[in-house]
Order: sequence, then structure tokens, then C-alpha cells
Amino acid sequence: QKEVEQDPGPLSVPEGAIVSLNCTYSNSAFQYFMWYRQYSRKGPELLMYTYSSGNKEDGRFTAQVDKSSKYISLFIRDSQPSDSATYLCAITTGNQFYFGTGTSLTVIP
Amino acid sequence: NAGVTQTPKFRILKIGQSMTLQCTQDMNHNYMYWYRQDPGMGLKLIYYSVGAGITDKGEVPNGYNVSRSTTEDFPLRLELAAPSQTSVYFCASSYYGSTEAFFGQGTRLTVV
Repeated sequence: QKEVEQDPGPLSVPEGAIVSLNCTYSNSAFQYFMWYRQYSRKGPELLMYTYSSGNKEDGRFTAQVDKSSKYISLFIRDSQPSDSATYLCAITTGNQFYFGTGTSLTVIP
Repeated sequence: NAGVTQTPKFRILKIGQSMTLQCTQDMNHNYMYWYRQDPGMGLKLIYYSVGAGITDKGEVPNGYNVSRSTTEDFPLRLELAAPSQTSVYFCASSYYGSTEAFFGQGTRLTVV
């Protein structure tokens, strides 16, 4: 069983839509949860970081963690063409990062 | 700030050749990582280091070697390149294993 499983997509949505990206993980020892955004031919960049269950908001982005279900989500409100990228969830115990396979998102103007 | 710098950006190797991918960070981070990224496969950890002089294998270490003689540098060595090593390679660093990882811009390697 993989440490982290991510919905592969790809997703294609109209501008202004609400986007939901999801990952599940297998090890309850995981403590830190992140979402990275990767534009084409670039390195991943941190978008959101959380270590507790519940929601964390940053502008149009909300990261949600449910430790009881081992499920994490990223919601994007009022999606923009500039949000078109690959989104990777990442989880760490504090020593190694485990990344999902990424979900490719295209926001159509 | 430069952050994490990788060189070269692109390289074509012939089967059996060797090369070193360079990675330097200027953030005084303890942890450094090498990942490879193949289409649809996400990031796979090759090697990582928790400090100068300390390295450990990740998920896919075969065919690669690393060293960490300084805090700043973490080169990745490919010996006897094979077509299966065609990939995009990312170096990353973080202060601790639980903190944000900063990535370089990647090295696109093709083995023919």
C-alpha cells in the first residue's frame, strides 16, 4: 500500500469554479500535511501547510485535514486561469516527505 | 536569495556514461533531498541527508550515489547511465524534516 494516494485527475474547470483536490494516507503517525503547486517545467512550491485536523484558510485556498479518516483536501474558490498547475499533496513524519502523484488542474477562461 | 540551485538544467547522456548533478542551497538547511519525477508518477525520493556527513537511501536509490561534505552542497552521481534514468531530477532542502521543503528548478536528463 502506498503511503499517500492522490486522485490523479486531470481536472478541467471553468474560471470561477470551486475545485476540490483530495489525498488519502495510510500511516496514522503522519503529523504534517502540505500542498505544493507545480507549474509546468518548474519545481514545486509550498502552497499550504498544516499539522492539525480541521481547516486552514489562506485567501482563496482552504486546506482540510481529517486525521480520523486519514484524508486531506485542498479547496480552491473562485478558480483563476493562473491556478492551472499540478497540485501535489505531501505528508511527513518529520524525517521524510511522502508525495502524492499530483493532480493536473486546468482552469479555462 | 538564490535558494536551491541545480546545475545543469538539461543534459543528454549516452548509455554507460556517468555524470554528477550539482545542488547547492544557501539557506543553511540541515536536510537535503534528491527526487526524480516521471510523468504521472509523482516525486520519488532517491537519497536524503539530515546533515553534513550523513546520507540515507530513499525509495529508488539504485544506480545513484550521493555525498554531503558540506551543509550547502549535495551532489548526485549517476554511474553507468541507463535509459530508465531518463527523468526530471529535483533537489530540495528543508530546515527540519517537518518544515517546508524548498525545491530547485530541476535537471532534465535524457539517456539515449
